[in-house]
Amino acid sequence: EAGVAQSPRYKIIEKRQSVAFWCNPISGHATLYWYQQILGQGPKLLIQFQNNGVVDDSQLPKDRFSAERLKGVDSTLKIQPAKLEDSAVYLCASSLDLNTEAFFGQGTRLTVV
Amino acid sequence: AQSVTQLGSHVSVSEGALVLLRCNYSSSVPPYLFWYVQYPNQGLQLLLKYTSAATLVKGINGFEAEFKKSETSFHLTKPSAHMSDAAEYFCAVSVAQGAQKLVFGQGTRLTINP
Repeated sequence: EAGVAQSPRYKIIEKRQSVAFWCNPISGHATLYWYQQILGQGPKLLIQFQNNGVVDDSQLPKDRFSAERLKGVDSTLKIQPAKLEDSAVYLCASSLDLNTEAFFGQGTRLTVV
Repeated sequence: AQSVTQLGSHVSVSEGALVLLRCNYSSSVPPYLFWYVQYPNQGLQLLLKYTSAATLVKGINGFEAEFKKSETSFHLTKPSAHMSDAAEYFCAVSVAQGAQKLVFGQGTRLTINP
């Protein structure tokens, strides 16, 4: 069974530029999560989808971050404009539903210079 | 609000020695507790979880954890460390048994000395 796929694996951008990350969850998984993991810290939930609807985006900085999950499958997370403090690993995870184990992708390491 | 504190950002043990990674939680409701492992350049993998069925939880790779309500703790142990156990370990708490609303600790990096 294929795992959660994320791309790109690495991205370096200058501050004030825009960047987008892509996630393809495990087939059949209704729930999708985006986490931000800053170096030396645990992951922090940014947004959670159930199919194509948002369940929780309370920790998403909506002035610069946006995410969508069209058709309830793939998802993209965008940052516009990026700040230095956005440098982190962005992890995507998926689960069958809200009450089951989440499987994580390898993440996208973003460096903002 | 829920929170997790992992005592010790780095733990180093010898191969074959006991592994003990400490986790204390704070929760206003009965918690669900999790341990995840993260190998270099990899995503997180679930080691084990406590969902109130039993206080001693056994997970993969020989790890186990014991829920102690009186101490608000959920420490992770393994009787004999293996070189392949070197990784970052995260304790997490949630109000639900699934992955929703997970709140992670800051992580403990485990180093195994030959």
